[in-house]
Amino acid sequence: EAGVTQSPTHLIKTRGQQATLRCSPISGHTSVYWYQQALGLGLQFLLWYDEGEERNRGNFPPRFSGRQFPNYSSELNVNALELEDSALYLCASSLGAGAYYEQFFGPGTRLTVL
Amino acid sequence: AQSVTQPDIHITVSEGASLELRCNYSYGATPYLFWYVQSPGQGLQLLLKYFSGDTLVQGIKGFEAEFKRSQSSFNLRKPSVHWSDAAEYFCAVAPSGGYNKLIFGAGTRLAVHP
Repeated sequence: EAGVTQSPTHLIKTRGQQATLRCSPISGHTSVYWYQQALGLGLQFLLWYDEGEERNRGNFPPRFSGRQFPNYSSELNVNALELEDSALYLCASSLGAGAYYEQFFGPGTRLTVL
Repeated sequence: AQSVTQPDIHITVSEGASLELRCNYSYGATPYLFWYVQSPGQGLQLLLKYFSGDTLVQGIKGFEAEFKRSQSSFNLRKPSVHWSDAAEYFCAVAPSGGYNKLIFGAGTRLAVHP
């Protein structure tokens, strides 16, 4: 069974640009989560999508947004990039909504903002 | 506010020695508790989880953790460490009410000496 996949592996952008990160969940999983792992800030919850709807978001500005497609894959968009957006962005998926369901993580997309 | 504290940023042990990684949480009720491991260049892998019941939980790779309500702790242990256990370990909590967001500690980086 294929795990959570993310693309691209690495992404280099300059300040002010937009970045788009993609995530494909495990087959059958309906929930997708995004986390940011920035140096010195640890792992922080960004967004949670379930059945195509945004269910919860972390303490991030509105320029962090995303969506979930009918096939449950997801996209994270970061607009007006700032240097501090440089981080590893991890996507996770779970079989259902609710903390009872294990979140399976992808390998991440390393975003570098110059 | 909910928070997770991992007091040890860096731990070094010899191969074959026992290991204990500390985790304390701050939360109004008993949350769901998790330990994840992150190897270099990889995503997070769930080692074990606690929802309720027996306070000593067994996980993969020979790890176990004990939930102590009175101390708000969920420490991870392994009786004999292998060189392949060198990685970063994250303790996480999620509210038990189905509110689907993992709150992570800052992580403990484990180095294993031969």
